[in-house]
Amino acid sequence: EPEVTQTPSHQVTQMGQEVILRCVPISNHLYFYWYRQILGQKVEFLVSFYNNEISEKSEIFDDQFSVERPDGSNFTLKIRSTKLEDSAMYFCASSEFGTGLSQPQHFGDGTRLSIL
Amino acid sequence: SQQGEEDPQALSIQEGENATMNCSYKTSINNLQWYRQNSGRGLVHLILIRSNEREKHSGRLRVTLDTSKKSSSLLITASRAADTASYFCATDTGGGNKLTFGTGTQLKVEL
Repeated sequence: EPEVTQTPSHQVTQMGQEVILRCVPISNHLYFYWYRQILGQKVEFLVSFYNNEISEKSEIFDDQFSVERPDGSNFTLKIRSTKLEDSAMYFCASSEFGTGLSQPQHFGDGTRLSIL
Repeated sequence: SQQGEEDPQALSIQEGENATMNCSYKTSINNLQWYRQNSGRGLVHLILIRSNEREKHSGRLRVTLDTSKKSSSLLITASRAADTASYFCATDTGGGNKLTFGTGTQLKVEL
């Protein structure tokens, strides 16, 4: 069964450094998402992406964050200048269609980001 | 309560017993989904129920939805040790292509 893959599985970065988290969504999916989960807390929506542009973003997704689909397969999340509070598990997800058609989202195993 | 709150927060049962988890939400929804998360892993989609549906089955899973009470329940029948995981409900309000997750129920199934 096709799956969403994320790399790296664990990223350790110094505060203030830039970090790029990578995702390969399922190949025929058109909608892409990033969520994060701070240890012991809820999974929180960050951003959704369709047709090469952001379709919605949360309050968390401020100017320090950006997303990109640099080629036909990868979907990346960049944090420009990391803060301690960015430490979390970051999940990428994809779906064939948007939520208007009641589609499940398929998640990767996540990247654990640790900011020192 | 916040959009998507599950209860109980934690549930411990014996293998073979049934496990019931509840989810409450606040705003109108397009659909509600249940996901499972094993420790340190990603979220696995279990079942989706649309707002015009009242009950749905998938294998040992049964989901109900009561839109008048803004609540849903997930029943796992004949539980197995492998069902040990956290279970989350997630609501789709139909706009913005996002899911809003609940706080989760940690299920432990003991042999």
